[in-house]
Amino acid sequence: SQTIHQWPATLVQPVGSPLSLECTVEGTSNPNLYWYRQAAGRGLQLLFYSVGIGQISSEVPQNLSASRPQDRQFILSSKKLLLSDSGFYLCAWTRQGGDGYTFGSGTRLTVV
Amino acid sequence: QQQVKQSPQSLIVQKGGISIINCAYENTAFDYFPWYQQFPGKGPALLIAIRPDVSEKKEGRFTISFNKSAKQFSLHIMDSQPGDSATYFCAASPPNNNDMRFGAGTRLTVKP
Repeated sequence: SQTIHQWPATLVQPVGSPLSLECTVEGTSNPNLYWYRQAAGRGLQLLFYSVGIGQISSEVPQNLSASRPQDRQFILSSKKLLLSDSGFYLCAWTRQGGDGYTFGSGTRLTVV
Repeated sequence: QQQVKQSPQSLIVQKGGISIINCAYENTAFDYFPWYQQFPGKGPALLIAIRPDVSEKKEGRFTISFNKSAKQFSLHIMDSQPGDSATYFCAASPPNNNDMRFGAGTRLTVKP
């Protein structure tokens, strides 16, 4: 069966510090991978998606970047965090041509 | 750009009552319409989904009603229970499934 792992679960970082969130998927190959951000009490904002290694599409120009160094690994990064980067970050995957997305358990990021 | 509009933003229902959440979409190319359930601090989980070739899909106490001509779909939760208290998101995606759009979410509270 397929599983998605996302870590860390919570993170408190000072303004100006770097960020690296990692997401991995097991039990499948060549998945579509997604990074979403959810502000408190708000909806889901698509940040990046990837249909293959090294292929990254950005939805919103911002302080973040994404990379896919391996087929089942998706990384969200920032060189210098802003207060506005605080939120709940979710990784998700789906099969190529598949239906519903499967989300990870999320990372609660607080920038102080 | 918001292509899926969801209402209400919040909903309070008595135990045993019917919860109804509505969504409307704009893009006629959408062909997959899932609903996700999210508990606090967790990632959204796929609850039920429908394709436009049927007007209704039922799974247990959860039913999706779909109106293709009106470009609307809704989630009905029968015999609502306190354990159903969560945030619900509707979504819609085109055939390539790379661009799923989410509604803003509905926070459902079921009072005992």
